[in-house]
Amino acid sequence: KAGVTQTPRYLIKTRGQQVTLSCSPISGHRSVSWYQQTPGQGLQFLFEYFSETQRNKGNFPGRFSGRQFSNSRSEMNVSTLELGDSALYLCASTLAGSDTQYFGPGTRLTVL
Amino acid sequence: EDQVTQSPEALRLQEGESSSLNCSYTVSGLRGLFWYRQDPGKGPEFLFTLYSAGEEKEKERLKATLTKKESFLHITAPKPEDSATYLCAVQATSGTYKYIFGTGTRLKVLA
Repeated sequence: KAGVTQTPRYLIKTRGQQVTLSCSPISGHRSVSWYQQTPGQGLQFLFEYFSETQRNKGNFPGRFSGRQFSNSRSEMNVSTLELGDSALYLCASTLAGSDTQYFGPGTRLTVL
Repeated sequence: EDQVTQSPEALRLQEGESSSLNCSYTVSGLRGLFWYRQDPGKGPEFLFTLYSAGEEKEKERLKATLTKKESFLHITAPKPEDSATYLCAVQATSGTYKYIFGTGTRLKVLA
């Protein structure tokens, strides 16, 4: 069974630009969560989507948004990029009825 | 406030030298505790889920245990390929069920 896939794997952007990251969950998984990982803060929860609805949200500014499609694929968008947004963005999927999250390889975003 | 603390931050072991990593947590009610392994530049890899005090899970050289306040990841006779960052996360029964991660223990096993 294929794992969680994320595209692109690497991105370089400049301040003020916006970016869209994509995540395809494991087949049959309907919940997708997004995390930001930085050396100083560890994994910080961004949001979770289930059946195209945002179910949970972390403490991030409104510049961070996401959505989920009917095939459970998810995207997250960051507008007006700041230097501090440089991080590894991880997506995780969960099977309905389970608590275990399975992570993708991440997208490394660098903001210059 | 729900919180997860992992110790030590970093650990260096000689090959074959067994040790334990600690994850202490404060949550209003524990729904589950999860251990992950993360290699540099990669996403976390799921290892174990523990649900109740006294529960233990094993996989190769790793054994995870759970009490009401903390979890331990015991590494028996580690090998260099066990070098990684080990992450602990908890999921609370109240609120939104979201995961709260610790900052991890960076393990280096020397040959």
